[in-house]
Amino acid sequence: DTEVTQTPKHLVMGMTNKKSLKCEQHMGHRAMYWYKQKAKKPPELMFVYSYEKLSINESVPSRFSPECPNSSLLNLHLHALQPEDSALYLCASSRGLAGRGEQFFGPGTRLTVL
Amino acid sequence: DAKTTQPNSMESNEEEPVHLPCNHSTISGTDYIHWYRQLPSQGPEYVIHGLTSNVNNRMASLAIAEDRKSSTLILHRATLRDAAVYYCILRVAQGAQKLVFGQGTRLTINP
Repeated sequence: DTEVTQTPKHLVMGMTNKKSLKCEQHMGHRAMYWYKQKAKKPPELMFVYSYEKLSINESVPSRFSPECPNSSLLNLHLHALQPEDSALYLCASSRGLAGRGEQFFGPGTRLTVL
Repeated sequence: DAKTTQPNSMESNEEEPVHLPCNHSTISGTDYIHWYRQLPSQGPEYVIHGLTSNVNNRMASLAIAEDRKSSTLILHRATLRDAAVYYCILRVAQGAQKLVFGQGTRLTINP
């Protein structure tokens, strides 16, 4: 199984809502990532988890709250988002953090904030 | 992370080879050269990576200049399914890791 799955595929939420994005992998990878991609732009890293611990936070606003409950799961909790947060949110995983390894990406969750 | 420079767009014909260039003049000795591609409506997909020597896999070949300041991704026989945005990325070998995507090259394949 070389797949990273993300749910939901699409999400529409209001600015006062609380929602969560979910990412799952069963490749035994110990590093997991959240990226944000705006239309026609490259992906931008948000968070990196290594062995279920937060390793990198790219100065992401606190209205985005990541969580890694176990080595297979990565969540992104959303609260009080702004319309400019509408984007494709991509999850990825890799065996470790070393530069030699490849990252496996999920298909993304397309988020619209009204 | 060191910066990469790629052409914004390229066009090729089906069943012809495609050479996608990438300049990385500030590359350090420990930086790996990675290529990813993103097909429409999909997440990025790993293509290939290398350090110093040329590399081949089932998807593509990577030719690395002797001074490592540039590299070329080679698709030997392009198909319509190869139409995507191709990203050239440098990654250090150790330490906390992140992929820093540049603007990439949008590849169009004509039938």
